[in-house]
Amino acid sequence: DAGVIQSPRHEVTEMGQEVTLRCKPISGHNSLFWYRQTMMRGLELLIYFNNNVPIDDSGMPEDRFSAKMPNASFSTLKIQPSEPRDSAVYFCASSPLRDTQYFGPGTRLTVL
Amino acid sequence: GNSVTQMEGPVTLSEEAFLTINCTYTATGYPSLFWYVQYPGEGLQLLLKATKADDKGSNKGFEATYRKETTSFHLEKGSVQVSDSAVYFCALSDSGGGADGLTFGKGTHLIIQP
Repeated sequence: DAGVIQSPRHEVTEMGQEVTLRCKPISGHNSLFWYRQTMMRGLELLIYFNNNVPIDDSGMPEDRFSAKMPNASFSTLKIQPSEPRDSAVYFCASSPLRDTQYFGPGTRLTVL
Repeated sequence: GNSVTQMEGPVTLSEEAFLTINCTYTATGYPSLFWYVQYPGEGLQLLLKATKADDKGSNKGFEATYRKETTSFHLEKGSVQVSDSAVYFCALSDSGGGADGLTFGKGTHLIIQP
């Protein structure tokens, strides 16, 4: 199994630009999670999906952030417009329902 | 709400020393507890877990026991190696780690010196 796949691994963009992060969960996993990691705030849950349906997006910091899961094998996290304070490592994780979460390698986002 | 508190780091030890990383939690229900490890430049990997009181999770020489009376899940290893150098995260979930998101501690950076 290839594990959770995230792309790109690194993204550098300028303030005001749109950023799209992508995630392919492990095949057969029903739940998908997006987390953000920063030095100041640690690991924070942004949003999670069960069976492609968003369940809780209370962690999404602002309306500039949006996430979709059009099918069981793909999800995106979009930031529009991006700001320097969005710089962080963004992790995607997947799991079978009510079981352990498996994390991707992360996308390191830098907004200049 | 749920929360996890870990000891601050970095923790620096010599090879073959005994390791303890403290973790305590606050939860409304009966959570499952986890330790994840993050090596430089990589994502988080599950190290061990416990799903009910008095359960002991173990893996790669690491152990942690779910103590409901003290709301703790301390990580221990009898003899650490340089390759154990990483950041360790304690986490909890109210539903086994799947359907709901994990609540993480801030992480403890462990440095093992030869």
